[in-house]
Amino acid sequence: ELKVEQNPLFLSMQEGKNYTIYCNYSTTSDRLYWYRQDPGKSLESLFVLLSNGAVKQEGRLMASLDTKARLSTLHITAAVHDLSATYFCAVDRSGSGGGADGLTFGKGTHLIIQP
Amino acid sequence: KAGVTQTPRYLIKTRGQQVTLSCSPISGHRSVSWYQQTPGQGLQFLFEYFSETQRNKGNFPGRFSGRQFSNSRSEMNVSTLELGDSALYLCASSQEPGLAGGVTFFGPGTRLTVL
Repeated sequence: ELKVEQNPLFLSMQEGKNYTIYCNYSTTSDRLYWYRQDPGKSLESLFVLLSNGAVKQEGRLMASLDTKARLSTLHITAAVHDLSATYFCAVDRSGSGGGADGLTFGKGTHLIIQP
Repeated sequence: KAGVTQTPRYLIKTRGQQVTLSCSPISGHRSVSWYQQTPGQGLQFLFEYFSETQRNKGNFPGRFSGRQFSNSRSEMNVSTLELGDSALYLCASSQEPGLAGGVTFFGPGTRLTVL
């Protein structure tokens, strides 16, 4: 059974600081997503990481994937209040056959950035 | 291009009733998946449809069912509602199942409250 673990689950940080959210998964992954969710809203796709060593950046967010370590990170640089949200990683094994069951999500990291 | 749309956005039902939720995928997307989000269990995969056929089903009781129409629109039905079915139900679409299907996009969700 695929397990996806995120840590931390809750993070309060000040504006201007840097921090990293970690996402570990237990089996091979075909694709790894990072999503953002604002309170009461749906999931917004941030990054899709396909291969080992993949790195993607958008503004103050950078995501990376190490398939050998089964680890993805979401790094926040010089955080601003607008980045306050819950961030989810999700593993897609749909290319692995065997009746893969959609996306498997981590529990999410609730991020609060204080002025 | 319009995104994934879901109707209704909010529903209040009582125990024992049944409910039908609707999802229209992004134009050109033929794969539709459903997810349940609750504070306790997080995001859980319900089922996936492609070409009017259910491809995969998550670990939910038979009270949860769905279907897909020839225009790729999908509905999910929950019968004999229980208090624990209160959740945000998210629909997601992609071009097709598997890695060739591209990025999975989520709709705004239907907030179901069971009293």
